[in-house]
Amino acid sequence: GAVVSQHPSRVICKSGTSVKIECRSLDFQATTMFWYRQFPKKSLMLMATSNEGSKATYEQGVEKDKFLINHASLTLSTLTVTSAHPEDSSFYICSAFTGSGANVLTFGAGSRLTVL
Amino acid sequence: GESVGLHLPTLSVQEGDNSIINCAYSNSASDYFIWYKQESGKGPQFIIDIRSNMDKRQGQRVTVLLNKTVKHLSLQIAATQPGDSAVYFCAENKSGGGNKLTFGTGTQLKVEL
Repeated sequence: GAVVSQHPSRVICKSGTSVKIECRSLDFQATTMFWYRQFPKKSLMLMATSNEGSKATYEQGVEKDKFLINHASLTLSTLTVTSAHPEDSSFYICSAFTGSGANVLTFGAGSRLTVL
Repeated sequence: GESVGLHLPTLSVQEGDNSIINCAYSNSASDYFIWYKQESGKGPQFIIDIRSNMDKRQGQRVTVLLNKTVKHLSLQIAATQPGDSAVYFCAENKSGGGNKLTFGTGTQLKVEL
């Protein structure tokens, strides 16, 4: 089945630094990927839609300059949290649209970001 | 055991009992619904889905029921096992919405031995 890999699974950084999270589709091509954010004991909130070869589409209230998304190939989307602050600490999850079958969205295992 | 996701975020059941997890959705334009299971520290895992032209779909030990009249979705887990302990989310997709999913608040299922 379709597999989505996220890296790193955990990252700790200092306030003010930038962190890049990668999302890869391992055995299929993903023209569209989605980035979600999840706070403890809360639901997943869609941040943006990542489109291969074009600009990402951000949800209302999500700062595009803060959360840079790049989808340069059909198997890789990256999320860069720029100038991270403690309030950016969260669980970030990507998903990829497989484009067929019942399970059209496959999720990665998530990346836990802790900003000190 | 039975829960309403928005009002009872935790559902505790005895091992071997059936579990019913409920979800209310608000968008009448949604035409595709999915149940996900999320274990601690992991990403959501697909369980079962249903399209709006159906009212029931069965999988292995799981059944999803859809009531479009009252915009209600439920997940039934038969013979609940300790490995079923997780948070369960319903998600809806609006027709023409570009495959963007809107997630419900989630229900924590705890299976007691």
